[in-house]
Amino acid sequence: DSGVTQTPKHLITATGQRVTLRCSPRSGDLSVYWYQQSLDQGLQFLIHYYNGEERAKGNILERFSAQQFPDLHSELNLSSLELGDSALYFCASSPRGEDTGELFFGEGSRLTVL
Amino acid sequence: GNSVTQMEGPVTLSEEAFLTINCTYTATGYPSLFWYVQYPGEGLQLLLKATKADDKGSNKGFEATYRKETTSFHLEKGSVQVSDSAVYFCALRASSASKIIFGSGTRLSIRP
Repeated sequence: DSGVTQTPKHLITATGQRVTLRCSPRSGDLSVYWYQQSLDQGLQFLIHYYNGEERAKGNILERFSAQQFPDLHSELNLSSLELGDSALYFCASSPRGEDTGELFFGEGSRLTVL
Repeated sequence: GNSVTQMEGPVTLSEEAFLTINCTYTATGYPSLFWYVQYPGEGLQLLLKATKADDKGSNKGFEATYRKETTSFHLEKGSVQVSDSAVYFCALRASSASKIIFGSGTRLSIRP
């Protein structure tokens, strides 16, 4: 158990819909990262938050947005869903002092868009 | 830009065989390098890391040496076990960046 909690574990929805994925980082960790894992594109970095502020953005679509709240949990919002958005979405957190490079991953939220 | 290239899988070996999974990187400056492992149904977890040239990371019998001259960080294990079956990801964090970039992953299967 990494200490990172993601909900829901599985989600099935239809094209055009909107979903929210939630992540609770390990206690004390200020950084939250979101990654998308799909079969054909490996693990893609989406976005990084540190103590509520956006620090880095990767190949995140405009239909996707994220935020980190004062209690440090984070949400990833995916809207106008397309079939190609079906993937495993991972959240990871890292210890205070973000230069360690070690990420602790949750078990992921598997999104299926039909 | 920064990137990681690792050998494509799947890799299938017999128990007690020697393992090498190749990883090369492109980055400016002096990145930190990592190997992560993903067991079935789980999230990724850090296996080992190296933060400067010639450093050797090691854990659970796995080793990788940071080779700046060849921009490589190959993962090795002398005698694999069935329990090592998983997907292995090479990754880097550039010295000036906060994000960690992952390779595409290599699926390893070990036959008893």
